[in-house]
Amino acid sequence: AQTVTQSQPEMSVQEAETVTLSCTYDTSESDYYLFWYKQPPSRQMILVIRQEAYKQQNATENRFSVNFQKAAKSFSLKISDSQLGDAAMYFCAYREGGSEKLVFGKGTKLTVNP
Amino acid sequence: NAGVTQTPKFRILKIGQSMTLQCTQDMNHNYMYWYRQDPGMGLKLIYYSVGAGITDKGEVPNGYNVSRSTTEDFPLRLELAAPSQTSVYFCASSYLFQGTASSGANVLTFGAGSRLTVL
Repeated sequence: AQTVTQSQPEMSVQEAETVTLSCTYDTSESDYYLFWYKQPPSRQMILVIRQEAYKQQNATENRFSVNFQKAAKSFSLKISDSQLGDAAMYFCAYREGGSEKLVFGKGTKLTVNP
Repeated sequence: NAGVTQTPKFRILKIGQSMTLQCTQDMNHNYMYWYRQDPGMGLKLIYYSVGAGITDKGEVPNGYNVSRSTTEDFPLRLELAAPSQTSVYFCASSYLFQGTASSGANVLTFGAGSRLTVL
């Protein structure tokens, strides 16, 4: 079974600085997708960024970028120029191509200090 | 744009009671899902639907039932509430990402969640 591991239960960063959240996953499949979701105190899950496994280029969305290392099965999220509004739980998630099952990690709580 | 709307936001149930969590989306998404989130954990899939009239079990379906009579609505039914069902429940919907035939790329839009406590 596929598993997603987030080894950092909590992280903190100073406003305007950069932070990297780690995620590793375990799969024997070649067709899959990886996601980072943000869950602020409002509880609503919000997609931050998505990566297709067949793409070698790392996905980027404004201040958010990923470091996708397929061979190492690693999918870290880098947040640049951190803002107070970035404070939230961040969940890494995996989905096999053609499957409806989205497997989530346990999350990393990010605190942004002013 | 309402997106995905869940009701109620909070509910306390006694053991053995029944209730339905409502979910509706106005984005004409084919896919809809129910997840639960236990404290300190990620989300786990309970049931999902790929279209009206079609439902399927996810990772943790026991104790729940769903139906999908319309594209917009996907209610989750708890028949005999148990303390183990105390959790936050999220409904989500998704579309098929343009340019790929695989539903794996679907981007989920989540509702705000429903906190259920069973005492």
